[in-house]
Amino acid sequence: GENVEQHPSTLSVQEGDSAVIKCTYSDSASNYFPWYKQELGKRPQLIIDIRSNVGEKKDQRIAVTLNKTAKHFSLHITETQPEDSAVYFCAASINYKLSFGAGTTVTVRA
Amino acid sequence: AAGVIQSPRHLIKEKRETATLKCYPIPRHDTVYWYQQGPGQDPQFLISFYEKMQSDKGSIPDRFSAQQFSDYHSELNMSSLELGDSALYFCASSLGQGPYEQYFGPGTRLTVT
Repeated sequence: GENVEQHPSTLSVQEGDSAVIKCTYSDSASNYFPWYKQELGKRPQLIIDIRSNVGEKKDQRIAVTLNKTAKHFSLHITETQPEDSAVYFCAASINYKLSFGAGTTVTVRA
Repeated sequence: AAGVIQSPRHLIKEKRETATLKCYPIPRHDTVYWYQQGPGQDPQFLISFYEKMQSDKGSIPDRFSAQQFSDYHSELNMSSLELGDSALYFCASSLGQGPYEQYFGPGTRLTVT
């Protein structure tokens, strides 16, 4: 099955700086790559996604890049704010189930 | 906008008891997914349904079963509960079959004592 690795496991940034989270996947058939933000005890919230026919996608302060050849994708958050503090999960999908990375705990220092 | 609804939100059961978790997808969504998330862990896929048929199966124990009904809501039935079943159980829904956006419900926190 699909195996998704995510790095780093924790990330502390100064408010206003950028944050980058990287993920790799194992199954070249994966064709959909969403990113979720989860606050403690809350539901995972879809923040951005990218499909295998696209290399980059941006939505305001967040962007995702995908390199299918290398089988890795990354989340970029610019101008970080305290409300960006949360656990971020990357995931990969072949048609149905999502296989998640282990998560990155992001802390934005004021 | 309407979101995924899950009930109950909290459930406390004893070992060997049974539990039923319910999920009501976003209106017009026809695909439902169940995930289990332990403390400090990522969500683990259990099972999914598209148009009332099982579409994929993950690491779901044989003690668990699920189904999707004609109104697209889904139920996860858990029997012979074990302490290790204590977790957050999320339901997600999407529109259509394939790699579409999955929107998660608020989850059911199951505690087995």
